[in-house]
Amino acid sequence: GAGVSQSPSNKVTEKGKDVELRCDPISGHTALYWYRQSLGQGLEFLIYFQGNSAPDKSGLPSDRFSAERTGGSVSTLTIQRTQQEDSAVYLCASSFRLAGWADTQYFGPGTRLTVL
Amino acid sequence: SQQGEEDPQALSIQEGENATMNCSYKTSINNLQWYRQNSGRGLVHLILIRSNEREKHSGRLRVTLDTSKKSSSLLITASRAADTASYFCATDLIQGAQKLVFGQGTRLTINP
Repeated sequence: GAGVSQSPSNKVTEKGKDVELRCDPISGHTALYWYRQSLGQGLEFLIYFQGNSAPDKSGLPSDRFSAERTGGSVSTLTIQRTQQEDSAVYLCASSFRLAGWADTQYFGPGTRLTVL
Repeated sequence: SQQGEEDPQALSIQEGENATMNCSYKTSINNLQWYRQNSGRGLVHLILIRSNEREKHSGRLRVTLDTSKKSSSLLITASRAADTASYFCATDLIQGAQKLVFGQGTRLTINP
């Protein structure tokens, strides 16, 4: 079946503009994760959804960042008033996380965001 | 501080040699996973080892887990140029975070 997809693959925006990043998880996966990765760095956890609710949004760096998930499927990550330090690759992952199951995550290809 | 810490941060070897990467963690885990990332894009799951397992194999990959030392190692045998990538360990904690916790990764370069 189809894997995790993300759009757009690349986004160039001007400082101060808002951007929306989209993630389509694997069908049936209950959990969805957003990460950020700056050049040459590790993964920075942003937010985790179980169904449509977000039990852990501890990684969102500021109130300019928000995310939602609808229908237990598609998720959008919105960054308002973008800053140059927001430039990074934003990765989405999904998993079939149920009690007793190992949380193996399947990643999308990422969205490379460049803020000029 | 990071739950998972990979060591070394970067490794460069000749094709055909074996590559060993290590991961240390701090709190008790359900399982530990290794992922691979090419060219800064999506990660690909390689192998999972549960807390009650000590060693696991998958093709040219061998993973060990020592829960007493809170450490794991990933061995890639007979390396190939195509193995050039970043490798991350991720821990699934027994308590606390309801998510995998990724380390900072080891950048592996295989020289032809």
